Amino acid sequence: DAGITQSPRYKITETGRQVTLMCHQTWSHSYMFWYRQDLGHGLRLIYYSAAADITDKGEVPDGYVVSRSKTENFPLTLESATRSQTSVYFCASRDRVRGGFGHGTEAFFGQGTRLTVV
Amino acid sequence: AQKVTQAQTEISVVEKEDVTLDCVYETRDTTYYLFWYKQPPSGELVFLIRRNSFDEQNEISGRYSWNFQKSTSSFNFTITASQVVDSAVYFCALSANRGATNKLIFGTGTLLAVQP
Repeated sequence: DAGITQSPRYKITETGRQVTLMCHQTWSHSYMFWYRQDLGHGLRLIYYSAAADITDKGEVPDGYVVSRSKTENFPLTLESATRSQTSVYFCASRDRVRGGFGHGTEAFFGQGTRLTVV
Repeated sequence: AQKVTQAQTEISVVEKEDVTLDCVYETRDTTYYLFWYKQPPSGELVFLIRRNSFDEQNEISGRYSWNFQKSTSSFNFTITASQVVDSAVYFCALSANRGATNKLIFGTGTLLAVQP
């Protein structure tokens, strides 16, 4: 199916464990993003990627690692989960405007992953 | 720095009332885009509108309208004759031409509750 999908939808993990959230898009969009949503903070950018093998930090990158070996995948890894990383995580992608950088295109979001760290 | 401020955390209205959601943004870029997204109780994020910095015309789509004013750095969203189905969190977002990164920066959102 075309679109952007996240897995798992729900995850409970223990403090200190490593966990990876998956994101896959079928449009070959250049840009991909990871956000976390917390009450009172809205959507905060964790990491983003402009293309395969190009990633950069967002507003709240500490404790997270990303990779992008293929255009369609953008996994987010919590190296050693903490309770403060309990959140809803959204992956998004947006296209690059032909001849431009794509800042005018809308972002499409996955369904979200609800992560609880106990 | 880029920033989006949605000062209204929660708004509660009765069905059929008009409601305006405020959005104030900051950017040093002259070329940028503004967006509104809706997040209904089911949790997905739904794109509503995009506006570029060179187009200050107001836009109307059914019961929805948007007022973009560069002079006050605002991009407000009005729902006319609100309905229960409009109950959601609404996010305003900004994307400016910062090299090739194109980050989409969101405000903290406004929770709109429409009571029957």
